[in-house]
Amino acid sequence: EAQVTQNPRYLITVTGKKLTVTCSQNMNHEYMSWYRQDPGLGLRQIYYSMNVEVTDKGDVPEGYKVSRKEKRNFPLILESPSPNQTSLYFCASSWGVGGEQYFGPGTRLTVT
Amino acid sequence: DQQVKQNSPSLSVQEGRISILNCDYTNSMFDYFLWYKKYPAEGPTFLISISSIKDKNEDGRFTVFLNKSAKHLSLHIVPSQPGDSAVYFCAAAPNTGNQFYFGTGTSLTVIP
Repeated sequence: EAQVTQNPRYLITVTGKKLTVTCSQNMNHEYMSWYRQDPGLGLRQIYYSMNVEVTDKGDVPEGYKVSRKEKRNFPLILESPSPNQTSLYFCASSWGVGGEQYFGPGTRLTVT
Repeated sequence: DQQVKQNSPSLSVQEGRISILNCDYTNSMFDYFLWYKKYPAEGPTFLISISSIKDKNEDGRFTVFLNKSAKHLSLHIVPSQPGDSAVYFCAAAPNTGNQFYFGTGTSLTVIP
């Protein structure tokens, strides 16, 4: 089944404790992206990747890192999480630019 | 500053009638426009898209209209069904197709 998977689905952590949210797709998609969803703000793009080893900042990249060492994986790294990063995070992938994106199920992160 | 706006947070429609969801954007460089549907506890799923060279695109019960001069996008659902009840997000991207901007979403309720 074609899908985007994210782990963990739920995470509660404390300020400053490094964490990684994994994202994997099995569709051989070139493009991958991370978003956060917050009430009243919709989805905002954090980082995107056009291909392996090619990543770029989205609208709200501060406090986040990403890497794209393999085509299928695009982990989101929070080196020192803060409470304002409490949010619902989505990973997405697509064949190429401008096209429909396939979204993962989301990761709800709470930073206390 | 929100580049894509959905000014109606919610909409209720009777089953069988037309649902019209609206979206406005500010950036004249946007070339790709997409609509996504989101159910609770799931990631968004792609619904329909349109490029800036067209003014209308149809897919079954769903039609998207683009008015470039007004920087306005709308999604028509005819006839509306209870299963259409969800949050709908519009999204836009420039011609590079790699950075996406989402609206804040409209929650559609179709009343049986």
